[in-house]
Amino acid sequence: EDQVTQSPEALRLQEGESSSLNCSYTVSGLRGLFWYRQDPGKGPEFLFTLYSAGEEKEKERLKATLTKKESFLHITAPKPEDSATYLCAVPTDSWGKLQFGAGTQVVVTP
Amino acid sequence: NAGVTQTPKFRVLKTGQSMTLLCAQDMNHEYMYWYRQDPGMGLRLIHYSVGEGTTAKGEVPDGYNVSRLKKQNFLLGLESAAPSQTSVYFCASSYSGGADPLHFGNGTRLTVT
Repeated sequence: EDQVTQSPEALRLQEGESSSLNCSYTVSGLRGLFWYRQDPGKGPEFLFTLYSAGEEKEKERLKATLTKKESFLHITAPKPEDSATYLCAVPTDSWGKLQFGAGTQVVVTP
Repeated sequence: NAGVTQTPKFRVLKTGQSMTLLCAQDMNHEYMYWYRQDPGMGLRLIHYSVGEGTTAKGEVPDGYNVSRLKKQNFLLGLESAAPSQTSVYFCASSYSGGADPLHFGNGTRLTVT
């Protein structure tokens, strides 16, 4: 059975305090791994797709990496506007159906 | 460019009532999905469609029906609402499925009393 597990559930950071979020997955035949950001009261917003082990992608203070079993989302020198819930997901078939993790809620305080 | 639009934003139903949630996308996407999001459980797929006139069951389809009569619209129906269907419902679309990223609407918060 396809599974996606995110840790920690919640993370509280001081502004400028870098940290990493983990997403571990078990899926038969990885078709990619997605990272999304979700603000309160909003739908998930697409951040990155990673396709193969060793791949890295960056966007502002966020950097996503992928290994054969897990992905990390590194937040470098975060700002309060980086506060959000970060979700990772993997496609479970060719129809684009996604298996989501439960998310990591990140709060960045000034 | 509106993207994915969901209506209504909020709804309160009594047990046994029915309702329809509407999702509209203006990106000419083939694939559309309905998810529900509950605290601590992540997003779970209810139903999906791979093109106009097609629908298929997802992970948690019981108690829901869907229709995709037009490519741009995907409707989610609750025939007889139950308190267990209290949730936030998200519609999403993608161009070609597979590893194509999903674009989400901003959700409908449904409470069933």
